[in-house]
Amino acid sequence: SQTIHQWPATLVQPVGSPLSLECTVEGTSNPNLYWYRQAAGRGLQLLFYSVGIGQISSEVPQNLSASRPQDRQFILSSKKLLLSDSGFYLCAWSPGGGEKLFFGSGTQLSVL
Amino acid sequence: KNQVEQSPQSLIILEGKNCTLQCNYTVSPFSNLRWYKQDTGRGPVSLTIMTFSENTKSNGRYTATLDADTKQSSLHITASQLSDSASYICVVRSTGTASKLTFGTGTRLQVTL
Repeated sequence: SQTIHQWPATLVQPVGSPLSLECTVEGTSNPNLYWYRQAAGRGLQLLFYSVGIGQISSEVPQNLSASRPQDRQFILSSKKLLLSDSGFYLCAWSPGGGEKLFFGSGTQLSVL
Repeated sequence: KNQVEQSPQSLIILEGKNCTLQCNYTVSPFSNLRWYKQDTGRGPVSLTIMTFSENTKSNGRYTATLDADTKQSSLHITASQLSDSASYICVVRSTGTASKLTFGTGTRLQVTL
């Protein structure tokens, strides 16, 4: 069966520090991969999606970047965090061309 | 602009009671509508996916309805349990790329004794 792992679950970082959140999917190949951010009281916002290794699409301009070094690995990064980067970050995957979206357990990021 | 609006924003009900959550959308062109359950601090989990031709779909005590003409959906929870306490998110997909999902802000449901 397919599983998605996202870590860490909680992260507290000072302003200006770098960020690296990692997400891996097991039990499938060629998944579509996504990074979402969920701010309090707001709907999930798509940040990045990837349909293949090295293929990254950005939905909104921001202080973050994403990379897909391997088929089932998706990384969310920042060189210098801002206060406004605080939020709940969710990684998700879907089968290539599939309808269903499967979410990871999320990372609560607090930038202080 | 594609939008998904949910109501109420929050809801408190007694264990064993029924409740209905609402979702109105303006997403076009429409592909499907999904309801997710999200426990606090966790990722959303899919409850139902409904396409244009489906009016009702059930998943245990959860029943979703869709009226594509009025662009409304509801999620009915029967005989609520404490474990139903969560946020319920309505998500509408438009046709085109797989990334075009519009998320509602969710309804926060609390089931109490």
